[in-house]
Amino acid sequence: GAVVSQHPSWVICKSGTSVKIECRSLDFQATTMFWYRQFPKQSLMLMATSNEGSKATYEQGVEKDKFLINHASLTLSTLTVTSAHPEDSSFYICSAKDRSNQPQHFGDGTRLSIL
Amino acid sequence: KQEVTQIPAALSVPEGENLVLNCSFTDSAIYNLQWFRQDPGKGLTSLLLIQSSQREQTSGRLNASLDKSSGRSTLYIAASQPGDSATYLCAVYTGGGNKLTFGTGTQLKVEL
Repeated sequence: GAVVSQHPSWVICKSGTSVKIECRSLDFQATTMFWYRQFPKQSLMLMATSNEGSKATYEQGVEKDKFLINHASLTLSTLTVTSAHPEDSSFYICSAKDRSNQPQHFGDGTRLSIL
Repeated sequence: KQEVTQIPAALSVPEGENLVLNCSFTDSAIYNLQWFRQDPGKGLTSLLLIQSSQREQTSGRLNASLDKSSGRSTLYIAASQPGDSATYLCAVYTGGGNKLTFGTGTQLKVEL
């Protein structure tokens, strides 16, 4: 089945650091990728949707300058949390889908902890 | 704006019990509905996907139903086991199948 790889799985860094998270589709062309954020004991909230070669579409309330998304190829999207602060600590999950009507395939998530 | 609610928020049952998790959504114009399982600190495992034209899907001890007109779905777990302990999330697809809205989740604990 379709596989989405997310890296790193866990990162701890100091406040003010920028952190990049990668999301790769291993066996299909991911024309659309999605980034979600999940705070403890809460559900997943969509942050942004990106189509290959286009600028990402951000959900209301998500700062595009804070969360930079790049989807330059059909197999890779990156989320960069710029100048991260403790309130950015969360679980970030990506998903990807191709052009068909198949559902999204999810990565295993990245636990981000900002000290 | 689509809102997805799951009841109960938490559930604790003895092993072997059959149980039902509920999911409701405010906008019935959905494309698909999907149930996921999430273990603590982990990603999502897809359990069942129900297309909008379908009424139910079954996989092993799991059965999911969909009543689109009333905005409801249920996940039935038969003969629950301690290994079923996890958070269960339902999610609905809208916007031609691209936009996925997640429910609030049900945290299930199956005790020996």
